[in-house]
Amino acid sequence: QVQLVQSGSELKKPGASVKVSCKASGYTFTTYALNWVRQAPGQGLVWMGWINTDTGNPTYAQDFTGRFVFSLDTSVTTAYLQISNLKPEDTAVYYCARTSSDGGGWKFDPWGQGTLVTVSS
Amino acid sequence: DIQLTQSPSFLSTSLGDRVTVTCRASQGISSDLAWYQQKPGKAPKLLIYAASTLQSGVPSRFSGSGSGTEFTLTISSLQPEDFATYYCQQLNSYPRTFGQGTKVDIK
Repeated sequence: QVQLVQSGSELKKPGASVKVSCKASGYTFTTYALNWVRQAPGQGLVWMGWINTDTGNPTYAQDFTGRFVFSLDTSVTTAYLQISNLKPEDTAVYYCARTSSDGGGWKFDPWGQGTLVTVSS
Repeated sequence: DIQLTQSPSFLSTSLGDRVTVTCRASQGISSDLAWYQQKPGKAPKLLIYAASTLQSGVPSRFSGSGSGTEFTLTISSLQPEDFATYYCQQLNSYPRTFGQGTKVDIK
């Protein structure tokens, strides 16, 4: 079945970097774009941007430029989110989600299970 | 950027109730709207896309309607497993944006 499986929780100190992975299976990886979505504790969903899995070209939302990098390794059907110079306010669950227009409308489906990144000294 | 405003933000309801959540867009988005359900500690789950198309496997008590700037999600008869937070999302333009969420809780 189509699924996205993310890497496990991370505990990092301020100023460190983290790399979250999102492994896709059950479909042709390069056919569907992948998005990253952040959810801070007790807060709503915030779209961070997306990556074209065919070309590798990333697009970042305005609040996620500079310290955030989306990348791919198509040989292992995996997308990555790297965050550098971590700040306590980066503490959140990070989700990957596939963009699909199957069935005649755009949607994010499926989603990964989420990766909790905690930034604390 | 297109802003999505959900109302209400919090809904206290009872089993069997009919529930309606509204999502208003700051500009027209045609029918490019999806609804998601999120339970605590879980990833969002797609319920409806293209404003009114029920995702495969989602119970028929869920329905969506609207186009342009005003949309609704309706649960015809609330079941125990429906207590959750619901988000709308526009996929008409970038950046993709979500509503702030509506938490459906037990009265």
